[in-house]
Amino acid sequence: RKEVEQDPGPFNVPEGATVAFNCTYSNSASQSFFWYRQDCRKEPKLLMSVYSSGNEDGRFTAQLNRASQYISLLIRDSKLSDSATYLCVVDTGNQFYFGTGTSLTVIP
Amino acid sequence: GAGVSQSPSNKVTEKGKDVELRCDPISGHTALYWYRQRLGQGLEFLIYFQGNSAPDKSGLPSDRFSAERTGESVSTLTIQRTQQEDSAVYLCASSWLNTEAFFGQGTRLTVV
Repeated sequence: RKEVEQDPGPFNVPEGATVAFNCTYSNSASQSFFWYRQDCRKEPKLLMSVYSSGNEDGRFTAQLNRASQYISLLIRDSKLSDSATYLCVVDTGNQFYFGTGTSLTVIP
Repeated sequence: GAGVSQSPSNKVTEKGKDVELRCDPISGHTALYWYRQRLGQGLEFLIYFQGNSAPDKSGLPSDRFSAERTGESVSTLTIQRTQQEDSAVYLCASSWLNTEAFFGQGTRLTVV
């Protein structure tokens, strides 16, 4: 069983839409959680950390559900520039585990 | 340097040759990761270092792949007898404790 699982997509949404990604993790002792963004032919970069109480950064909202062992990322009012691959990342305290990513394309 | 540095940025090699890829992590980062990413695919975990030991090398695809790390600094990933299926971008990341992982820009390997 993989440590982190994501739906690879692709998600194709119109501009202005709201889109949500979920990610599940297998290690209940996982301590830290992150969402990364990877643009085409670039390295992944941190988008936002995910806190237990949930957190928001502009149009982006991240949530953690420890009981069900999943994290989510909600993007409101999608922009063309949001087109990228979004990777969820889980830190067990010993090691980071990256999901394989969910591809998002925002269509004009 | 301020970030994770990988070299070379691009490498073209003939099938059957050995290649060495280098990663210079951010100074002080104890954890170092190697990933492989084929064109249009997700990240594929290869190996994880904590200091100079490798507690998880479960992702190395075959015995042609090996990696080492000197102390808490440079790591090299070696691929022996390269095959065309080894063509990919090889990404290195480093982190400290539970803080975010930073990636290098990768080495694009092409085996011809």
